[in-house]
Amino acid sequence: DTGVSQDPRHKITKRGQNVTFRCDPISEHNRLYWYRQTLGQGPEFLTYFQNEAQLEKSRLLSDRFSAERPKGSFSTLEIQRTEQGDSAMYLCASSFFRTGPDEQYFGPGTRLTVT
Amino acid sequence: GQNIDQPTEMTATEGAIVQINCTYQTSGFNGLFWYQQHAGEAPTFLSYNVLDGLEEKGRFSSFLSRSKGYSYLLLKELQMKDSASYLCAVRDVNTDKLIFGTGTRLQVFP
Repeated sequence: DTGVSQDPRHKITKRGQNVTFRCDPISEHNRLYWYRQTLGQGPEFLTYFQNEAQLEKSRLLSDRFSAERPKGSFSTLEIQRTEQGDSAMYLCASSFFRTGPDEQYFGPGTRLTVT
Repeated sequence: GQNIDQPTEMTATEGAIVQINCTYQTSGFNGLFWYQQHAGEAPTFLSYNVLDGLEEKGRFSSFLSRSKGYSYLLLKELQMKDSASYLCAVRDVNTDKLIFGTGTRLQVFP
C-alpha cells in the first residue's frame, strides 16, 4: 500500500510565475480532495473530484487556480500568476466513497513559497 | 454557515490524560473526525463519530453529542510523541468535504 503521494514536496517560485502540483491517490480511491493549509490554521477545502468529475469548487479557488483529474486517477492543481498570498501547504487527500461517510487519507503535501 | 472551535494550545505531562474539546455549528452534519498532525507533516486519521457516544481506540477515545454540537478527544497515558496538533473536522452532509477547526497544539512535557 503506497498511500497518497504528492509532487513536488517543496516549491519556491517568484511572484507571477505559474506552478503545477501533482497528487497520486491511493489506487482504488474514487474521490480526491485538495486542501490548503497556512501556518497555525486547519486545512481549508479547495475542490474535490469523484472519478474524473469535479464536483465542487470553494470560493477560495479564484480563477487563477485550476484542477484536473483527467482519467480519474492522478490530479493536478495549477496556480497561474502566483501571488505571495498563495504561499501555503497544499494537501491532497483521497477516499473510497460508498454509502455512508468515508475516511480521507492525506498526502504529505506540497509546500509553496512565493517570493 | 460553518464554525468549529477548539482551544489553540494545551500542555500536559507524560503519562497523564488530556481532553481536547471541539464545538461546532454547521448547516449540515455527516460525521466528525479527529486528525493528528505533527509539524510539517500531513494529517493522519485518529477517529470518527457519527452517532452520539464514545468511540474507543487504544489510548485514544472520541466522544460526540450531536444535540450539543460538541465532541472531545481523550488521550490517555500520554507519550512525548503525542506532542502534535489535533484537528477537529466536520463532514458536510451535501458534499462530504471536511471543514476543519484551527487545530489544538498539544505539548507533552516529561
